[in-house]
Amino acid sequence: DIQMTQSPSSLSASVGDRVTITCRASQNINIYLYWYQQKPGKAPKLLIYAATTLQSGVPSRFSGSGSGTDFTLTISSLQPEDFATYYCQQSYTSPRTFGQGTKVEI
Amino acid sequence: QVQLVQSGAEVKKPGASVKVSCKASGYTFTAYYMHWVRQAPGQGLEWMGRINPNSGGTNYAQKFQGWVTMTTDTSISTAYMELSNLKSDDTAVYYCARAENAFDIWGQGTMVTVSS
Repeated sequence: DIQMTQSPSSLSASVGDRVTITCRASQNINIYLYWYQQKPGKAPKLLIYAATTLQSGVPSRFSGSGSGTDFTLTISSLQPEDFATYYCQQSYTSPRTFGQGTKVEI
Repeated sequence: QVQLVQSGAEVKKPGASVKVSCKASGYTFTAYYMHWVRQAPGQGLEWMGRINPNSGGTNYAQKFQGWVTMTTDTSISTAYMELSNLKSDDTAVYYCARAENAFDIWGQGTMVTVSS
């Protein structure tokens, strides 16, 4: 199975901060990398697909980069509604695997 | 609009089975795989497997092989996930999610509690 490792596991930030979350795959996954946001009690929401493409309706302050094994999610200016847990996920091969999550807190 | 609506919360005893439904609307049900993902309390996301509604073909995560069954009823655009021989650590929220590659549409989740 492909292991997905996110860092950090949690971070504290303030409104307006630039936030970067990294995700590393245990083997090459090309650009089959996705980012999700999950708020308490809610289903995850797709933010970024194919490593760099913003899902329709997602604010442009979110961006993704990377290919191969190393990927990054960046929030350019953190907003109050962005405090949540973020997961990366690969679909290069089965089983689909997720990172352990990064909790973004105030 | 495109949505997945899941069945309600369940409470089961250890050793029992549970069957969760996921009704799709707003898109062609047979055009996308349906996946199931679970999340134990306070934990991360765990992929369980997927089903091709067009063929009925399934792929299960190795951990769940032999005790999960995924099916669909295309006449009512509904997917089902049945988990047997439940244990306390199967207590989790179970999600269905539509996917081609990305999980772009998710159900609201179904809480399954396993307790004696």
